[in-house]
Amino acid sequence: NAGVTQTPKFQVLKTGQSMTLQCAQDMNHNSMYWYRQDPGMGLRLIYYSASEGTTDKGEVPNGYNVSRLNKREFSLRLESAAPSQTSVYFCASSEVVGDGYTFGSGTRLTVV
Amino acid sequence: ILNVEQSPQSLHVQEGDSTNFTCSFPSSNFYALHWYRWETAKSPEALFVMTLNGDEKKKGRISATLNTKEGYSYLYIKGSQPEDSATYLCALNDYKLSFGAGTTVTVRA
Repeated sequence: NAGVTQTPKFQVLKTGQSMTLQCAQDMNHNSMYWYRQDPGMGLRLIYYSASEGTTDKGEVPNGYNVSRLNKREFSLRLESAAPSQTSVYFCASSEVVGDGYTFGSGTRLTVV
Repeated sequence: ILNVEQSPQSLHVQEGDSTNFTCSFPSSNFYALHWYRWETAKSPEALFVMTLNGDEKKKGRISATLNTKEGYSYLYIKGSQPEDSATYLCALNDYKLSFGAGTTVTVRA
């Protein structure tokens, strides 16, 4: 009964390094999302995938790319990490648009 | 991205007291309003999804109402308990969720 699984849970990067955050869901949901959470700012949408084969920008997409690898997996890539990308990243999924989200446990990323 | 305001930002409640707080929005141009409960060091968990003006939802001691005409939703906690301490997030769904910054509730024993 895993739900939404994110890896890694913690990561420290140096400025300019790249990395990919992985997200997988086992609920056969159609839609998947990446959010970042910063103090005092709530959750902000980076990218989302309404269905397999589609991706769209959210509120704060700059510096990120995504891949909807298949229905289960939705990855977030930082090509050249910057200190401003220090944040907690959450992946979420929903069966269809309008349904409640199931969230992963988050990835705490620090860029130094 | 829809503008979602939550107030107050934080509140402290004595155990056993009831409380409520607000989610407000300028437009009713969305599919649904969601409430989430977010405990420290965990991930947000869905509480309610409301779609119609006048909707009321209840889960145990927590309930919520939606007024799309006047642009607000209330979340109520009856007889607060320490385990109710969390941040409560409101979000509007217009094909993806736009979240408010949350109301952090601390219940003092």
